[in-house]
Amino acid sequence: RKEVEQDPGPFNVPEGATVAFNCTYSNSASQSFFWYRQDCRKEPKLLMSVYSSGNEDGRFTAQLNRASQYISLLIRDSKLSDSATYLCVVNGAGNMLTFGGGTRLMVKP
Amino acid sequence: GAVVSQHPSWVICKSGTSVKIECRSLDFQATTMFWYRQFPKQSLMLMATSNEGSKATYEQGVEKDKFLINHASLTLSTLTVTSAHPEDSSFYICSARDRRDGGLEQYFGPGTRLTVT
Repeated sequence: RKEVEQDPGPFNVPEGATVAFNCTYSNSASQSFFWYRQDCRKEPKLLMSVYSSGNEDGRFTAQLNRASQYISLLIRDSKLSDSATYLCVVNGAGNMLTFGGGTRLMVKP
Repeated sequence: GAVVSQHPSWVICKSGTSVKIECRSLDFQATTMFWYRQFPKQSLMLMATSNEGSKATYEQGVEKDKFLINHASLTLSTLTVTSAHPEDSSFYICSARDRRDGGLEQYFGPGTRLTVT
């Protein structure tokens, strides 16, 4: 089993739609969780950290469910510019960051 | 703040040659830098962790004699791909952790695209 698993997608949604991604992780001792965004042929960029109580940043909402070991990212009112690959990142063994395979989102006009 | 640069941004080399990639933290000191490799449509795979002044720690399956890492200062780490072959063609990305930052955030460089012909 992979340490961090994501549905690779692609998720094809129209502009204005709400879309949600889930991610599961295997290390129950993990303490820190992040969502990164990666555009084609670019480096990953931190989108947001994920806190136990859940957190929101504009159109983006992240949730953490420790009991079920999954993390979610909700994007409301999708924009064309949201098209990218979203990487779920968890700190694993030795406090190293482990990346999921990414979920590709394509927002269409 | 927290800017990481990489040089070169892309390189094409012939099979059998060596290529050096530099990773610099521009406005902070990084005791730890990380080297990742990403093949098309795949996720980032950690290759090695580089600590200033000590030997790098390589992930399982990564040949340390082929991928030489030198972390000579708090702002510079280099990755040398020795005797490169076409299968080494990939996107190499470094990241750095700010020594003052007690968290886990890593700041990524823009990546280096290596093509071996």
